[in-house]
Order: sequence, then structure tokens, then C-alpha cells
Amino acid sequence: DTAVSQTPKYLVTQMGNDKSIKCEQNLGHDTMYWYKQDSKKFLKIMFSYNNKELIINETVPNRFSPKSPDKAHLNLHINSLELGDSAVYFCASSPLAGAYEQYFGPGTRLTVT
Amino acid sequence: KQEVTQIPAALSVPEGENLVLNCSFTDSAIYNLQWFRQDPGKGLTSLLLIQSSQREQTSGRLNASLDKSSGRSTLYIAASQPGDSATYLCAVTLDSNYQLIWGAGTKLIIKP
Repeated sequence: DTAVSQTPKYLVTQMGNDKSIKCEQNLGHDTMYWYKQDSKKFLKIMFSYNNKELIINETVPNRFSPKSPDKAHLNLHINSLELGDSAVYFCASSPLAGAYEQYFGPGTRLTVT
Repeated sequence: KQEVTQIPAALSVPEGENLVLNCSFTDSAIYNLQWFRQDPGKGLTSLLLIQSSQREQTSGRLNASLDKSSGRSTLYIAASQPGDSATYLCAVTLDSNYQLIWGAGTKLIIKP
């Protein structure tokens, strides 16, 4: 029944490793997002996909690469992890691109040691 | 550049009290404003969405107001309950590109 799900919920890894976070929504929405919440609790948009097409790509290191195999899935792959990548990553979806209500996943807490 | 500020950063009140959370934004060119609730280990839940042409929205014990010209919004919670304990975030949607700009949140604790 979960509307927006993310895996894993927790991820602890060492610097230099490559890791992926997966997101799936069963709401039939066209648009999906990745947000990063830092230690000060600010949420910042990273990427947005509309029907598998990238529409928002904020100033994010190119070590971060989103992939949308279909409009229900948006995965985030991170290469060469750094300490500063430690944060909570949230996936969200909305019916369409634009000013629509967004539905959030539970978040993935990434800790880089 | 749009900035969203929430004051206070934390608030602790006894159960049953009415309370107000504040959100201010620097640029009035917004499409809408949303209030979210964040529970530890869980995602964000949208509580209320106010369009830029609206003055307020109500849902149950929650009432959100918007004064676009002064760059302010308030979230009023009536008859607070321990289950209301959470972090409350406000976010504005930019007119230009529909991106959400977030405040850092107010951590609310309702004491039984």
C-alpha cells in the first residue's frame, strides 16, 4: 500500500565506494524528485524527472547520477562517496511537473565513514 | 534569491494549548505555499497547500494563513495533542520554475 517507497532505509558505507538508492511510486504520477536534507534540516532539490525525462538538474556533483527506467521508478547512483554526502535523501512524486502537491518517501539515511 | 525562515526552531508546549508556527519568505513571487509534517524515520506528509491567491486553508485542527505581500504564513494548531509532536516544515513554490524552497522547520513537542 506504500505510495512512495525507498530502499534502503539506512546505508552506511566508506569513502570512495559507489552506492545506489532506489525509489518507487505506485501513485501513477508522472513526475519524481530527489531531495537532499542536510544536517541543518534544509531540504534541497537535486533532480526531477517527468515521464522518464530529466527536467530539473540542480548544481549537484556529477558523481550523482539519476536513472529513471520507467515513470514509476527513479534511482540515484552515487560514485566515489565523500564524507559530505552524508545526509538523508528523500524521493518524492507528484501527478505532473509544476506546482502540484508532492508525496514523499520515508527517506534514506546515508552515512559515509 | 528566495529564502524561507521558520521561527522558532523548536517549541515545547503543554497538551491542550493552541499554538502558532511562523514561516517567512523573502520574495513574494510564489505560486503556492505548503506546510508539511516530518516524523522521525518517516517521510514528509503534506498538511495544507495554500495557493498564492488564497488567504487561508483549514484541515481539522489546523489552519494555515498566507499574507503574500508581507511574505508570511502561519500554521495554527488548535487544542494540541502529544501526537502533534513532529517537525513542521513550510515550503514555497517559486513562480518561475515551480521548484520548492524549504524552511529548516520548527520542532514541536507537545507535553502530556
